[in-house]
Amino acid sequence: EDQVTQSPEALRLQEGESSSLNCSYTVSGLRGLFWYRQDPGKGPEFLFTLYSAGEEKEKERLKATLTKKESFLHITAPKPEDSATYLCAGGGYRGDSSYKLIFGSGTRLLVRP
Amino acid sequence: KAGVTQTPRYLIKTRGQQVTLSCSPISGHRSVSWYQQTPGQGLQFLFEYFSETQRNKGNFPGRFSGRQFSNSRSEMNVSTLELGDSALYLCASSLLDGYNEQFFGPGTRLTVL
Repeated sequence: EDQVTQSPEALRLQEGESSSLNCSYTVSGLRGLFWYRQDPGKGPEFLFTLYSAGEEKEKERLKATLTKKESFLHITAPKPEDSATYLCAGGGYRGDSSYKLIFGSGTRLLVRP
Repeated sequence: KAGVTQTPRYLIKTRGQQVTLSCSPISGHRSVSWYQQTPGQGLQFLFEYFSETQRNKGNFPGRFSGRQFSNSRSEMNVSTLELGDSALYLCASSLLDGYNEQFFGPGTRLTVL
């Protein structure tokens, strides 16, 4: 069964304290691993797509990496404005060529000044 | 480029009523997907439309339906509302299909009393 699991559920950091968020996935026919940021009361905001193991992408203080079973979102020297829920999702094709996108439950990040 | 817009932003209905939500995708995007987000279940895929055809469908009852117009705008309808339908309904558009990154709208917050 396809599954995307994120850990931890919640993470509290002091400003400047670097850390990593984990996304473990088992998605058959995986074609892409997506990371999104969601602020309260808003829709998710696209951050990264990773397509193959070993791939890395960076944006400001965020860096996403991908292995065959996991993806990590590394946050370097976070600021309070990085506080949000971070979602990962695995996308792929089923045998009938229909598309599936499986979301994890998210990690709620709080960065204290 | 304008983002994904959804109307209305907030809606209050009573059990048994029906509701129609609207989504306008980013100009040029042909795929529109709908999601239900609740605190307990997270983001769950409802359906995807591409070129006026439903291409993918999640595991929701037939009370949930949708359509897409020739200009790629999409509507989602929920009939015979139940208390459990209270959620944030998100629409996302992508250039071709969900294999590409999806861009989400702000959502419609539906409350069923």
